[in-house]
Amino acid sequence: GNSVTQMEGPVTLSEEAFLTINCTYTATGYPSLFWYVQYPGEGLQLLLKATKADDKGSNKGFEATYRKETTSFHLEKGSVQVSDSAVYFCALLTGGYNKLIFGAGTRLAVHP
Amino acid sequence: DTGVSQNPRHKITKRGQNVTFRCDPISEHNRLYWYRQTLGQGPEFLTYFQNEAQLEKSRLLSDRFSAERPKGSFSTLEIQRTEQGDSAMYLCASRSPPRGTSTDTQYFGPGTRLTVL
Repeated sequence: GNSVTQMEGPVTLSEEAFLTINCTYTATGYPSLFWYVQYPGEGLQLLLKATKADDKGSNKGFEATYRKETTSFHLEKGSVQVSDSAVYFCALLTGGYNKLIFGAGTRLAVHP
Repeated sequence: DTGVSQNPRHKITKRGQNVTFRCDPISEHNRLYWYRQTLGQGPEFLTYFQNEAQLEKSRLLSDRFSAERPKGSFSTLEIQRTEQGDSAMYLCASRSPPRGTSTDTQYFGPGTRLTVL
């Protein structure tokens, strides 16, 4: 079946460090892929997405490239800030009614 | 565009009681989803509405759960005879009618956190 696997957290970084959060997926067909972010006490917000192989989604300095050959959609940022501290969820869109399948989430803590 | 809203934001109830949550989607979004998120996990799909029709239900949605969207606008999720295992964050999301891949994004509300004592 369809599934998403994310690297386990928490990920703890110093400000301005490079961030990578790994995400791999299993799916039939060619799903759209998403990264959502959940700040403390808030709902899920779309961070970026990619709809086909080799697409790169980007937003707020974050990037992720849809790699069909490795079934991956890793999230990267060149220089993290304290305000990036949150839980990050990788997800794929699947099925005739397009429900989202989420990974377990990766908590990021950035220290000054 | 005021975003997806959910009420209440928090609900504490005793085991065996019934609870009802409400979701107001973004206006003109005809597609509405309910998800459940337990601590430390990603959201899991519960059910999907297109306009007023409930088109898909997860096996997670036991017979104690019922969802409605009577006029194709707001939706309610009711849990009867709550159990401690129902404690979770219940999330609602909406999506516009399809117009190519640019409209496949689901927008989430802030969620309703349910605690069953």
